[in-house]
Amino acid sequence: DGGITQSPKYLFRKEGQNVTLSCEQNLNHDAMYWYRQDPGQGLRLIYYSQIVNDFQKGDIAEGYSVSREKKESFPLTVTSAQKNPTAFYLCASSSRTGSVFGQETQYFGPGTRLLVL
Amino acid sequence: GIQVEQSPPDLILQEGANSTLRCNFSDSVNNLQWFHQNPWGQLINLFYIPSGTKQNGRLSATTVATERYSLLYISSSQTTDSGVYFCAGGPNEKLTFGTGTRLTIIP
Repeated sequence: DGGITQSPKYLFRKEGQNVTLSCEQNLNHDAMYWYRQDPGQGLRLIYYSQIVNDFQKGDIAEGYSVSREKKESFPLTVTSAQKNPTAFYLCASSSRTGSVFGQETQYFGPGTRLLVL
Repeated sequence: GIQVEQSPPDLILQEGANSTLRCNFSDSVNNLQWFHQNPWGQLINLFYIPSGTKQNGRLSATTVATERYSLLYISSSQTTDSGVYFCAGGPNEKLTFGTGTRLTIIP
């Protein structure tokens, strides 16, 4: 079955702790994205990657870090510098099809809910 | 950056009714997508529609790029249509999302 998996489903963070959220896709997509969703709000882009070993900051990158060592994996680390990390985190991917890159359908994983203890 | 406004914010309908959801953009976009978020948080892509009209079963969407708005039509609503509908747009892969329309279908 092709798709995007995220783990864990729920994650609890203590003060001063870094935590890493996993995102894996087997769709052979080149581009991957991380979004944050707060209650009653839309999604905001944290980081995105168009190709292995390259990634770009989104609108709210402060306090987060990412890596893209493999095409199928795009983990997100929520660092202790992120003072308000409680949110729903969604990973997405898209393929480089068509004549213009950056305009492809995005597919989402099931999400990770991060709570601060 | 681009501002995305969705209306109405909430919509409650009887099963079988039709509805129209609107999305306005503050600037031109080359990438425009509609999503449905179910009560468990999963987002499903409904349409990639930077211009023109598309249909998929009971759902259809129309984007008038020159006037910077898009419409999502849902006909013969079913309870499974409940959830939040988001539009998102941008010049390229960087999408800006609206705050959504929460649709509740009553049996």
